[in-house]
Amino acid sequence: DAGITQSPRHKVTETGTPVTLRCHQTENHRYMYWYRQDPGHGLRLIHYSYGVKDTDKGEVSDGYSVSRSKTEDFLLTLESATSSQTSVYFCAISDSGQGQETQYFGPGTRLLVL
Amino acid sequence: QKEVEQNSGPLSVPEGAIASLNCTYSDRGSQSFFWYRQYSGKSPELIMSIYSNGDKEDGRFTAQLNKASQYVSLLIRDSQPSDSATYLCAVKEDSNYQLIWGAGTKLIIKP
Repeated sequence: DAGITQSPRHKVTETGTPVTLRCHQTENHRYMYWYRQDPGHGLRLIHYSYGVKDTDKGEVSDGYSVSRSKTEDFLLTLESATSSQTSVYFCAISDSGQGQETQYFGPGTRLLVL
Repeated sequence: QKEVEQNSGPLSVPEGAIASLNCTYSDRGSQSFFWYRQYSGKSPELIMSIYSNGDKEDGRFTAQLNKASQYVSLLIRDSQPSDSATYLCAVKEDSNYQLIWGAGTKLIIKP
């Protein structure tokens, strides 16, 4: 998984509680991404980061926030979890972000919101 | 809205045959094209990328790109049961960080 870890790998939580997912990379890549994957929808970008403390929204950012205080860590927070946020969450990294640069994925986090 | 379309399948192919996976995209500004493979319960992994019109071969895999018709395809020769997976197509503009993803085609190789 290209030196990318995600924690936790599985989580069950209740509606209304905050949840934080962590992505950690050892590749020193500048760009990091959070996706969610749901049946029939493919991968949808939640937020991405193009450097420490530099982040931007993706197509499905409502209800999510992110932080990146170090190159290696990118945190995704569900401010108040809802059942619609039950999904598999993937972190990805890339070096330049532009051109032909490939994204590499972490192992994923399965989140169930009851 | 930029879209990437794939047939969801499942596509069933006999072992040893050629599997053909197709992807169409809406944004003519797309410059880079990627095929990822995803086994059930696992993360996507890159198998091919293509940037110019024509064919690109890598072992049993061939990616084909036709920008005029806005489609990209992946051929898998001598299909093996281990090729059974969901194949995701992704496209991007060179000036954009974001990949636009198709929903994937599930491929089943029957022994």
